[in-house]
Amino acid sequence: DTEVTQTPKHLVMGMTNKKSLKCEQHMGHRAMYWYKQKAKKPPELMFVYSYEKLSINESVPSRFSPECPNSSLLNLHLHALQPEDSALYLCASSRKTLTDTQYFGPGTRLTVL
Amino acid sequence: GQQLNQSPQSMFIQEGEDVSMNCTSSSIFNTWLWYKQDPGEGPVLLIALYKAGELTSNGRLTAQFGITRKDSFLNISASIPSDVGIYFCAGHLTDSWGKLQFGAGTQVVVTP
Repeated sequence: DTEVTQTPKHLVMGMTNKKSLKCEQHMGHRAMYWYKQKAKKPPELMFVYSYEKLSINESVPSRFSPECPNSSLLNLHLHALQPEDSALYLCASSRKTLTDTQYFGPGTRLTVL
Repeated sequence: GQQLNQSPQSMFIQEGEDVSMNCTSSSIFNTWLWYKQDPGEGPVLLIALYKAGELTSNGRLTAQFGITRKDSFLNISASIPSDVGIYFCAGHLTDSWGKLQFGAGTQVVVTP
């Protein structure tokens, strides 16, 4: 089973709202990732967690705040977003090391009004 | 920046035709991965390659890890309508620190 789940599937929020994206995997993977993807472009890495610790932050604005409460869960907290933050947000996981094969979730389509 | 050159950018093919796409780089890769993405969905892993020269098949899909470790190709034989989508190559550089490098994608359109 190589399933990564993400909720919600779609999210519409105003620029003053606070919302959270959730990602879950039960494959025992110890590395988890957040990506942002614009239409017809490849995914862009935002954050990497390894063994529940943040190991890579790709200079993402502080209005995006990741959290890894345990080895199966990854959250992305959103606050005071801009319309240009509208995109597909993808979660991925890999077995142990950061160079293991990554498996992606279905994504959350975020629209910021 | 973009370290993978993926081509072609798009392909319009008839059902039943074979499809070929490739990725090249000036850098050496430790792994090559091929993903397919349908609109509004996440990328789905098709084939993973871990050794130079490795040739792997998954149904009608065949991919190879180039012997120089700087390129990879993906072939789809006898295309069907559900092969429509964007195909991304991706790989790990030798010093990537977990960052997966992506190609720009190949959009495949299959006409009946």
